[in-house]
Amino acid sequence: GAGVSQSPSNKVTEKGKDVELRCDPISGHTALYWYRQRLGQGLEFLIYFQGNSAPDKSGLPSDRFSAERTGESVSTLTIQRTQQEDSAVYLCASSITSTAYEQYFGPGTRLTVT
Amino acid sequence: AQKVTQAQTEISVVEKEDVTLDCVYETRDTTYYLFWYKQPPSGELVFLIRRNSFDEQNEISGRYSWNFQKSTSSFNFTITASQVVDSAVYFCALSEPNTGNQFYFGTGTSLTVIP
Repeated sequence: GAGVSQSPSNKVTEKGKDVELRCDPISGHTALYWYRQRLGQGLEFLIYFQGNSAPDKSGLPSDRFSAERTGESVSTLTIQRTQQEDSAVYLCASSITSTAYEQYFGPGTRLTVT
Repeated sequence: AQKVTQAQTEISVVEKEDVTLDCVYETRDTTYYLFWYKQPPSGELVFLIRRNSFDEQNEISGRYSWNFQKSTSSFNFTITASQVVDSAVYFCALSEPNTGNQFYFGTGTSLTVIP
């Protein structure tokens, strides 16, 4: 079956512009996560969606970052007024339900802010 | 404090050698889950294993084996007869579903298998 997909795969933007990253989770997965991975670093948790519950936004690094999810499907991560330190790979993952279950990751979106 | 510690930043082994990747975790919950993921040079994280806190039985899957020891809060991963295709960054992770929504990832161990 189809895995987690993300688009675009690469995004180059100028400092100060807004960007929108998209994630399509595995069908039937109610939990969805966004992470940031800087070059050579580990995974930094950003936000978690579970069904229709309020999202856990505790990992968002600033108010320039926001995310939405439509029901139990597509999610978009928006970064406003991008800064060079936002350059990273943004990973999306989904799991069948809570954190008791493994996550399946998408290929990521590589964001470069010039 | 780090909930998951992978003390080995980088490891190099010669092909066919065995290698163990260490993972030490910290939790006060009695119900928790541990995971290992592989991130090859292509970049996409691949799920390897999930283990719950009530099951300390070691697991073997082909050349991979996992040793879960609650007494030492460790969940180590051994690759037997390593191959070049095993070269990747390996991440250990912890989740505590009763108390939070996060997966806590270690900083990863970069494994290079030299032919």
